[in-house]
Order: sequence, then structure tokens, then C-alpha cells
Amino acid sequence: YELTQPPSVSVSPGQTARITCSGDALPKQYAYWYQQKPGQAPVLVLYQDSERPSGIPERFSGSNSGTTVTLTISGVQAEDEADYYCQSADISGTYVLFGGGTKLTVL
Amino acid sequence: QLQLQESGPGLVKPSETLSLTCTVSGGSISSSSYSWGWIRQPPGKGLEWVGSISYAGSTYYNPSLKSRVTISVDTSKNQFSLKLSSVTAADTAVYYCAGIAAAESSIDYWGQGTLLTVSS
Repeated sequence: YELTQPPSVSVSPGQTARITCSGDALPKQYAYWYQQKPGQAPVLVLYQDSERPSGIPERFSGSNSGTTVTLTISGVQAEDEADYYCQSADISGTYVLFGGGTKLTVL
Repeated sequence: QLQLQESGPGLVKPSETLSLTCTVSGGSISSSSYSWGWIRQPPGKGLEWVGSISYAGSTYYNPSLKSRVTISVDTSKNQFSLKLSSVTAADTAVYYCAGIAAAESSIDYWGQGTLLTVSS
């Protein structure tokens, strides 16, 4: 079982970035999204598909359409340039899994 | 607000056992609100879940590492530990310890990470 993300996404400042994550267990398991900047530990930006932790800007949102979940960043800013990882679990909910990561480039 | 800090040797020889410790501050490691885990990231690559331990002591390991991994908790020191046996160069990575919210199952807290290199 694996989670599949596109290796890279590029957008201009102010545009909308969409990063997808696909996996067969996603209809039954929540997805989580983490932002990682170079040399830093990851930071949780969305949990349970679409919930934002406190302190995360409203421009970060999430959706689930069955076997694909999407992280949407509206009005992308230069500071959003980072690697983004989705995380979920296998169908039984026992094992944690990360997607391969998507590098978001702000042009 | 929890804070997590990894500690370990930095360099381990092939075939030896890797030992890392994570010290938790700002809260009790015995709290039912969190479980505790380890995630690693080889240089230039993505995140890989190593395993976790619940507040009740149940452990869950990555199937690909299960035969070599042990995670344990020392409540007296507010610490949890990772042991990975028979290491090879493929185990070279930044190792992060993490606090996982029990209700949401989200990795809310991360340590800063510690680079562990396997080399003779």
C-alpha cells in the first residue's frame, strides 16, 4: 500500500496551488498534510482531511474525493515554498504511511 | 506546549545497534492525550514512519523494519527511545521523534531531528 503524490508543483504568487495524494485506503482513513522547509522539521498544516490546526492560515484547505485527497493553497505566497507530505494509514488503521512528498515552487 | 528533543551518538558502525532517546518537556509522557513515535528521513529523500508507542504501551512498527525495531518508554525520565539493530548505510537518516495526538491521530509535535550516519 502506498500514497502517491506528484513530485513537484509550480505556481506564481497569488495563484492557487493544488497538491494531490492518492491511495486506496483514503476513503476509509483520514489524511494529514505536513509542510517542511529546508533544514527544518515538518509542521502539521491540515488534519483529518480538512481541519486546520491553530495558527495555520486560512489559505490552506483540504478535501477528500474518495481515493484522492487534495491540499489547496489559495493566494500562494513566497513563504509557502516548501515540501509537502501527505500522511495516512493502511486500511486497518494500524500502520502509518507517508506520501513521497511534493515540492511546491513559487515562481 | 510540548517540546521534544532527540539525543544520540551521531555515528554508528554497520551491523551495530542504533539507540536514540527523545526527551519530552512541557507535559507528561504518561498522558493519554498522546502517543509517541519515530520518523526518519534519508538525506534528500522523503519521510518514513519507523514506529510508535501508545500511552498504554502498545507498539506499532513499520512492517519493513519490524524485525529490527524496538520502541520503549521510560516514564521516570519522561523519555522514549528507539533501538534499531543490524544497521546498514541505508539506515543513515535524520531521525525525528514525534508526539501524536490520540484523538486526532495527527503528528502535532516534532523534535528538531538528529542526523544518524552509519559508517565504518
